[in-house]
Amino acid sequence: DQQVKQNSPSLSVQEGRISILNCDYTNSMFDYFLWYKKYPAEGPTFLISISSIKDKNEDGRFTVFLNKSAKHLSLHIVPSQPGDSAVYFCASSYAGGTSYGKLTFGQGTILTVHP
Amino acid sequence: KAGVTQTPRYLIKTRGQQVTLSCSPISGHRSVSWYQQTPGQGLQFLFEYFSETQRNKGNFPGRFSGRQFSNSRSEMNVSTLELGDSALYLCASSLGGTGLGGYTFGSGTRLTVV
Repeated sequence: DQQVKQNSPSLSVQEGRISILNCDYTNSMFDYFLWYKKYPAEGPTFLISISSIKDKNEDGRFTVFLNKSAKHLSLHIVPSQPGDSAVYFCASSYAGGTSYGKLTFGQGTILTVHP
Repeated sequence: KAGVTQTPRYLIKTRGQQVTLSCSPISGHRSVSWYQQTPGQGLQFLFEYFSETQRNKGNFPGRFSGRQFSNSRSEMNVSTLELGDSALYLCASSLGGTGLGGYTFGSGTRLTVV
């Protein structure tokens, strides 16, 4: 039962262009959504997050959009840089005792930014 | 500010053995969560500890256990290792175990079971 899905295993983008990574979820209880970036042999690094009471959050080159009715979120990176090449995971959680410390992750999308 | 430290980084064990992995959280963080990452299953939640108490547990067999000490350092133990336990084990620390963006991950322990 995959509650968080990233349907694109990989994405290739030219430097300077926009990267759009997508994520779908099925659990209506989720109210926090996060994006993490992961390099090989390292742990995931937090990028940006959004609460279900918002539909957009920006931090520099990174913007996350949330469409609650479609249970869909996306991460936009503008402009993309070669150093952005990594695996990107979306993750979800919800308030409440049964979710303490627990993030539910998607399978990840490998982003490659070409110079 | 020191990050989350996991030791050892790499480990090779034989089927049937047991293993203990360690995680030192960021100073001041009281919540420690553990995850297993495999190519087939992705990142899956194992359990979470806060103030030495397990508050949450994922769908893993009882061979997987953990504990947390008074200084918030945490250990996880896997007994009777199986080949399928080969994975990257990650821990994450946070102040309270809930909320946005509060989870900081360590670099992981790569466990290989032969």
